[in-house]
Amino acid sequence: GAVVSQHPSWVICKSGTSVKIECRSLDFQATTMFWYRQFPKQSLMLMATSNEGSKATYEQGVEKDKFLINHASLTLSTLTVTSAHPEDSSFYICSAKSGTSVSYNEQFFGPGTRLTVL
Amino acid sequence: GENVEQHPSTLSVQEGDSAVIKCTYSDSASNYFPWYKQELGKRPQLIIDIRSNVGEKKDQRIAVTLNKTAKHFSLHITETQPEDSAVYFCAARPGGNEKLTFGTGTRLTIIP
Repeated sequence: GAVVSQHPSWVICKSGTSVKIECRSLDFQATTMFWYRQFPKQSLMLMATSNEGSKATYEQGVEKDKFLINHASLTLSTLTVTSAHPEDSSFYICSAKSGTSVSYNEQFFGPGTRLTVL
Repeated sequence: GENVEQHPSTLSVQEGDSAVIKCTYSDSASNYFPWYKQELGKRPQLIIDIRSNVGEKKDQRIAVTLNKTAKHFSLHITETQPEDSAVYFCAARPGGNEKLTFGTGTRLTIIP
């Protein structure tokens, strides 16, 4: 149980275009989803926290107008990187947390999406 | 906010020997401390976690210890095997907060 999927697993786009990444909890309802960014050989940096039906809470320094997060249902959250630039190239990972799971503290991570902006 | 430091950044260990990775945290209200293993290009996998009301937890070859007074916790891997080679991250979660703050990671290499 507790499977989180992401789509796409990798994407290459041109500078200036927008890219949407989906995060789905497949077998549980995710009350909270988190979006992280990980640059090569670096740690996971939290970008934002989203709760179903409400606006995402962004971490300091993360541009909310550039990284649009939508958590429309208890099983789906999307991250849209708008007007992407080469410096946005990174590994984007989502995680999901269920308030009703036995291990209520645990976050379940998706497999990540590697974004390359040319 | 919470700040988590992790040492060492790289660690090479002979197969069969033990490996220890240490983390310190700054927020005394933190009450949940998971450890993740991440292989190249893959998702972080939870390998063990500990809550602040427990001082030590063990799961086969893996153990975690927590010293709340000193605000540090450690990961111990015994009888290391080549498949233990990966990057390991510690994390801390402040009380009443859902966010995890991650350490900087340790690249563990097991030498056959």
